[in-house]
Amino acid sequence: DAGVIQSPRHEVTEMGQEVTLRCKPISGHNSLFWYRQTMMRGLELLIYFNNNVPIDDSGMPEDRFSAKMPNASFSTLKIQPSEPRDSAVYFCASSLSPVIGELFFGEGSRLTVL
Amino acid sequence: GESVGLHLPTLSVQEGDNSIINCAYSNSASDYFIWYKQESGKGPQFIIDIRSNMDKRQGQRVTVLLNKTVKHLSLQIAATQPGDSAVYFCAENTGNQFYFGTGTSLTVIP
Repeated sequence: DAGVIQSPRHEVTEMGQEVTLRCKPISGHNSLFWYRQTMMRGLELLIYFNNNVPIDDSGMPEDRFSAKMPNASFSTLKIQPSEPRDSAVYFCASSLSPVIGELFFGEGSRLTVL
Repeated sequence: GESVGLHLPTLSVQEGDNSIINCAYSNSASDYFIWYKQESGKGPQFIIDIRSNMDKRQGQRVTVLLNKTVKHLSLQIAATQPGDSAVYFCAENTGNQFYFGTGTSLTVIP
């Protein structure tokens, strides 16, 4: 299996622009997680899905952030409009279960908002 | 200007020595724990896990110890190698989410 695939690996954009990050989980995994990693706050859970349904989005910073999972093999995290404080590495992870077992992480999308 | 951020605990060890990385978790109801390793520019990778009904679990060159009384987790790496240099995170699962610690940076000195 190719593992969790994220795109783009790097994105540089200007404040106010829309950013879309993409994730393909490991086939057969039922749970998908979006994390954000910064030096200030470490690794934070933004949202997770189970069987394509958002279960907990309490970590989403504000209305500018939205996430979708239209099917079992694809998820997006959108920021609109983006701000410099959104600069971070965004990780997608998938697992067989949300409560037990290994989280498999992608390589991350490094976002820089100027 | 001065940068402000998390001050990761750091650990430097000589190649071949054993390493011990510690983690304090917050929720006494947490029942499952994982150690992750994150190399520069990569996502975290699973190392070893342990359930709350155990106090020790061993893997290849790694051992995790769980002390529920003081809510403490440790990762022991035997015969540390340069490839072990990374940031190590503990994660606790409470119900349906994983919460990650701030991490410890391990540097192996050849």
